[in-house]
Amino acid sequence: NAGVTQTPKFRILKIGQSMTLQCTQDMNHNYMYWYRQDPGMGLKLIYYSVGAGITDKGEVPNGYNVSRSTTEDFPLRLELAAPSQTSVYFCASSYPGGGVSNGYTFGSGTRLTVV
Amino acid sequence: GQNIDQPTEMTATEGAIVQINCTYQTSGFNGLFWYQQHAGEAPTFLSYNVLDGLEEKGRFSSFLSRSKGYSYLLLKELQMKDSASYLCAVRDRDSGGYQKVTFGTGTKLQVIP
Repeated sequence: NAGVTQTPKFRILKIGQSMTLQCTQDMNHNYMYWYRQDPGMGLKLIYYSVGAGITDKGEVPNGYNVSRSTTEDFPLRLELAAPSQTSVYFCASSYPGGGVSNGYTFGSGTRLTVV
Repeated sequence: GQNIDQPTEMTATEGAIVQINCTYQTSGFNGLFWYQQHAGEAPTFLSYNVLDGLEEKGRFSSFLSRSKGYSYLLLKELQMKDSASYLCAVRDRDSGGYQKVTFGTGTKLQVIP
């Protein structure tokens, strides 16, 4: 059982380049999320999805786009990369509803540097 | 919106007990989580509280007081491997009814011999 898988683990982009961060989960979770974590800061929600075909903006969506064509996959697209997007990106998934089972499962993260 | 406060750093001695506090303000509270995050790694789920009181899980316990907007994570018999950041996260319902989780900035705990 792989849980949440993110690729790539590391990437260096030049200003203005584009890339897609991949995220897939095999737990049949409805909810999926993208967070970014800057040094010494908490996790900031970029986008989230409550199911296939449904996405919505989080706290810091500017400069990013997402899609959710299947339950398993939730890719994050960066268009025209900027130095301010240098961060560690985490994908996570969860069941909806309450209870212990609603704790997030995180991927291992993608360290992105924009130069 | 939410406002979550927790201390930035704490230091404790191996074998001791440490309490990490978290205060929050939210209009539609629907649960509080604690996560552990080792340097360079992803957060891992530790505990969940939705009702007032203490939840115990081995060496870790988490307490919640909804009326005070307050939680703490208690770590007993500290081990060197407990050196990590501890993230407090609060779930509430937004205007669309979606349950959204907001994370605090984390408390970096250093365990010393």
